[in-house]
Amino acid sequence: GQQLNQSPQSMFIQEGEDVSMNCTSSSIFNTWLWYKQDPGEGPVLLIALYKAGELTSNGRLTAQFGITRKDSFLNISASIPSDVGIYFCAGPRDDMRFGAGTRLTVKP
Amino acid sequence: NAGVTQTPKFQVLKTGQSMTLQCAQDMNHNSMYWYRQDPGMGLRLIYYSASEGTTDKGEVPNGYNVSRLNKREFSLRLESAAPSQTSVYFCASREVQFWNGELFFGEGSRLTVL
Repeated sequence: GQQLNQSPQSMFIQEGEDVSMNCTSSSIFNTWLWYKQDPGEGPVLLIALYKAGELTSNGRLTAQFGITRKDSFLNISASIPSDVGIYFCAGPRDDMRFGAGTRLTVKP
Repeated sequence: NAGVTQTPKFQVLKTGQSMTLQCAQDMNHNSMYWYRQDPGMGLRLIYYSASEGTTDKGEVPNGYNVSRLNKREFSLRLESAAPSQTSVYFCASREVQFWNGELFFGEGSRLTVL
């Protein structure tokens, strides 16, 4: 089955700093999804990417669909305390699997 | 609009007991999924149902059974619970008419097996 590798596993940053994380796979995907999970909640979709090379923004979030279709990047600019949580990438197929997540801690 | 509803939200079992986690969605989605999330870990797919009447194994199906009762409901059963099944279980659903169907999650069911 497909395997999604996320890095880094965790990040500890100061409020106001920018964050960058990525997701790679041995398989090609036609769509990349980025989810965020707040503590004690289920994951919620942040950004969806539908085209190789696509760069999509949602407020302070920017995500890119890699040209090889085997990777994706998520950037968060000017982090704030509520950015704390786990960020997951997902490549949708029938068996919808997720990367292991990047755990973000933001220090005020 | 309730979205994805899971019950129960909390459960404590003894080793060897059985239980069923219930999941229902009101978005008329074709596909439904069960995941488990262990402390500090990511989401691992247990079973999924791509459409009503079908179920398939995910990454970690051992020790679980599922039933797609109808289009709305997808239950997860533990026949003989083990401490290794202590986890938070998430049900999710999506429309897969197109590959880019967003996955919607329930709030999670926290299971402890003693």
